[in-house]
Amino acid sequence: SQQGEEDPQALSIQEGENATMNCSYKTSINNLQWYRQNSGRGLVHLILIRSNEREKHSGRLRVTLDTSKKSSSLLITASRAADTASYFCATDAGNNRKLIWGLGTSLAVNP
Amino acid sequence: ETGVTQTPRHLVMGMTNKKSLKCEQHLGHNAMYWYKQSAKKPLELMFVYSLEERVENNSVPSRFSPECPNSSHLFLHLHTLQPEDSALYLCASSQTGTSGAQYFGPGTRLLVL
Repeated sequence: SQQGEEDPQALSIQEGENATMNCSYKTSINNLQWYRQNSGRGLVHLILIRSNEREKHSGRLRVTLDTSKKSSSLLITASRAADTASYFCATDAGNNRKLIWGLGTSLAVNP
Repeated sequence: ETGVTQTPRHLVMGMTNKKSLKCEQHLGHNAMYWYKQSAKKPLELMFVYSLEERVENNSVPSRFSPECPNSSHLFLHLHTLQPEDSALYLCASSQTGTSGAQYFGPGTRLLVL
């Protein structure tokens, strides 16, 4: 069954606003990763948070992890039109390098 | 070139054709992956190679045949595909013994007629 489920499925905001997307998962994990995919292209690794970490920052990205709720959130601050993409969470449960993926959140940032 | 490259970027083939997808990684990684991405479905892992040995085969039909001649190159040989095989095929690589972050190529958009 699907491990990661992103919420919302689609999000539309204005440039300069913050975007928050969430990911829930079902089993224990070693780490949780967020990726970005521009339309019809490959995925780009954004950030990884380990199971013993609660928050991590990278530039305009902030990721939180709540293992008690089996959920994570990705916050993009001061969004830009170039942030328009699909965002996926993937969980690593230590199963032989196999990541479990969600369906993604489609983010549209309007200029 | 840097990162992970894939060729061709687009492919149209008939159901009786034989074609191959190629992936090359320039990151010094020792694990490589094939994924299938279809609309409204999670990314599907097809095959994993670690140190040139296949370690994962997710019940993929035999019309898909992977080949990993060395740690930098990965092929996906296609034969007698079905229209439902039309999708974006993504190659990725990672380094075993690290966190598991994967690095993706741009993908091959495949259309089977």
